[in-house]
Amino acid sequence: DQQVKQNSPSLSVQEGRISILNCDYTNSMFDYFLWYKKYPAEGPTFLISISSIKDKNEDGRFTVFLNKSAKHLSLHIVPSQPGDSAVYFCAAPTGRRALTFGSGTRLQVQP
Amino acid sequence: DAGVIQSPRHEVTEMGQEVTLRCKPISGHNSLFWYRQTMMRGLELLIYFNNNVPIDDSGMPEDRFSAKMPNASFSTLKIQPSEPRDSAVYFCASSFLRNTGGYTFGSGTRLTVV
Repeated sequence: DQQVKQNSPSLSVQEGRISILNCDYTNSMFDYFLWYKKYPAEGPTFLISISSIKDKNEDGRFTVFLNKSAKHLSLHIVPSQPGDSAVYFCAAPTGRRALTFGSGTRLQVQP
Repeated sequence: DAGVIQSPRHEVTEMGQEVTLRCKPISGHNSLFWYRQTMMRGLELLIYFNNNVPIDDSGMPEDRFSAKMPNASFSTLKIQPSEPRDSAVYFCASSFLRNTGGYTFGSGTRLTVV
């Protein structure tokens, strides 16, 4: 049972526009969420996180929104750049276990 | 620090052969994680260690998989015998705290079992 779900395997946007990546989770006890970014032939790298006591966290062009009632979080990238093309994973620490990751969304930013 | 170092980067082996993947975590990190990435399931946690002790191996697919961490600077993931469905990219990561965003991943080992 996937506790963290990314239902869109891919997303394509034009350079300069907004990219919105979505993530749903099943366990209302999760108190912390993270986004990782992965380029080909490299390991994932930490991008941004949000605590469940907040509904928004911003870092430059990247903003994560958390909607606890809907068990949904989203990552907004504005403006999108070609260098943002990568696979994005959302993740959450699941109790005793380590981070549980979603299946990822491949973002392609077209020049 | 050179980061998390995994070897080999690529491994091609025949079905039935033993495969050993290696990982050197970042010095000072006390948690080590093995993940597997596939198209269908994304990043799956296989096992993690805290202070060299296996804490949760519930993600290990079956008895063909085993992992060890004999000391704080080295870990192995072994598959014996290997099968074509084991083909994936295997990542090792380390961190100081288990549940924070401080995971540092290695570059992965791409395993192909033919």
